[in-house]
Amino acid sequence: QVQLRESGPGLVEPSATLSLTCSVSGAFVNSNRLYWGWIRQSPGKGLEYIGTFFNSASIYSNPSLRSRATMSIDTSKNQFSLEMTSVTAADTAVYYCATQNWNLEENYWGQGILVTVSS
Amino acid sequence: DVQVTQSPSVMSASVGDRVTITCRASRDIRNELAWFQQKSGKVPKCLIYAASNLQSGVPSRFSGSAAGTEFTLTISSLQPEDFATYYCLQHNDHSWTFGRGTKVDIK
Repeated sequence: QVQLRESGPGLVEPSATLSLTCSVSGAFVNSNRLYWGWIRQSPGKGLEYIGTFFNSASIYSNPSLRSRATMSIDTSKNQFSLEMTSVTAADTAVYYCATQNWNLEENYWGQGILVTVSS
Repeated sequence: DVQVTQSPSVMSASVGDRVTITCRASRDIRNELAWFQQKSGKVPKCLIYAASNLQSGVPSRFSGSAAGTEFTLTISSLQPEDFATYYCLQHNDHSWTFGRGTKVDIK
């Protein structure tokens, strides 16, 4: 069973960089079968895809976040990360990491982590 | 990027009702669309993948269909545990976007 767990600070100051890590068990982040990605959900709002990578290469990043969001993987720790620069209150959200195969028949999500942007 | 238009945004229904939610893609995305259910404060759960395939363990009252760029999630007989928000997700090519969601609440 694939399990994912997000970690990182729950509070980030405005204009700072948000850094989150997703720790993975039951699968490998350098898999050539699974897509890995980040999704967020602002309070009371819908789901927003941040970005996805496959086979260690980014294949999608949300155009509205592309200039501020960077994803990376650490195969030695079997983790992948998200960094988002110059955050504002609008970036306050629950951030989920997720993995799925090509048609989403396999689909796994972390429990999510609430990140609040505030001074 | 592909845009998806999900409708309605809110619907009120009663237990036993047949419920239909639609997502329309801005171009051909083949069958690369999934449906998710999210209950308040919970992680989204995938119900349908590849437009019409039921995820393991999901009740058979849920079904998905596709006609061109229009995709439909149907709940044949709404149950109390089905009151939730539903999202479509298209994952065609290098574009991944969720619909805006449909909240199904109690009439």
